[in-house]
Amino acid sequence: ETGVTQSPTHLIKTRGQQVTLRCSSQSGHNTVSWYQQALGQGPQFIFQYYREEENGRGNFPPRFSGLQFPNYSSELNVNALELDDSALYLCASMTQGARDEQFFGPGTRLTVL
Amino acid sequence: SQQGEEDPQALSIQEGENATMNCSYKTSINNLQWYRQNSGRGLVHLILIRSNEREKHSGRLRVTLDTSKKSSSLLITASRAADTASYFCATRDNYGQNFVFGPGTRLSVLP
Repeated sequence: ETGVTQSPTHLIKTRGQQVTLRCSSQSGHNTVSWYQQALGQGPQFIFQYYREEENGRGNFPPRFSGLQFPNYSSELNVNALELDDSALYLCASMTQGARDEQFFGPGTRLTVL
Repeated sequence: SQQGEEDPQALSIQEGENATMNCSYKTSINNLQWYRQNSGRGLVHLILIRSNEREKHSGRLRVTLDTSKKSSSLLITASRAADTASYFCATRDNYGQNFVFGPGTRLSVLP
């Protein structure tokens, strides 16, 4: 069983640029969620995808967007980067209707200069 | 705003001692989960307790849930240096698709 993987592990961008982060779900999982975790804080829910459709969204602006592919992998896109977007971005996968347990990837550390 | 609030924010104990962390939340929930995070890495699921359960055990972990007080506690017995990490509670309500995490408790277990 393959765990959740994320790429890249670290990324440095400048303000105004766009970034795409990638996540491969654990085998058999049909749901992926993205979280933003600022230093010293808990993860903040960005959105969730189930069967390629957005299935819930947190309090994040539209410049945060996502995709889920038929193989259940996912992308998080952030446009017009701001300094406050610097954070650890976590992807988590699970199977809807199952045990409700999320499996997290190691995260992507994004730094916006 | 975050639904879960852990208490204390930081805890430092000696190896072998017990560690207790508390979590309070605001709305009705379907379940409450505890996760561990080692130094800026991904979170690891520890234990899930459903709203109709009052106590669960898993190895050295004991979780209680009091829905009347909207609170939960995580007890780690006989702590080890490897338990040093941040611990988060996460709630999922009956209506939402998302999990709401608290700010976490940073546990340091000194050898």
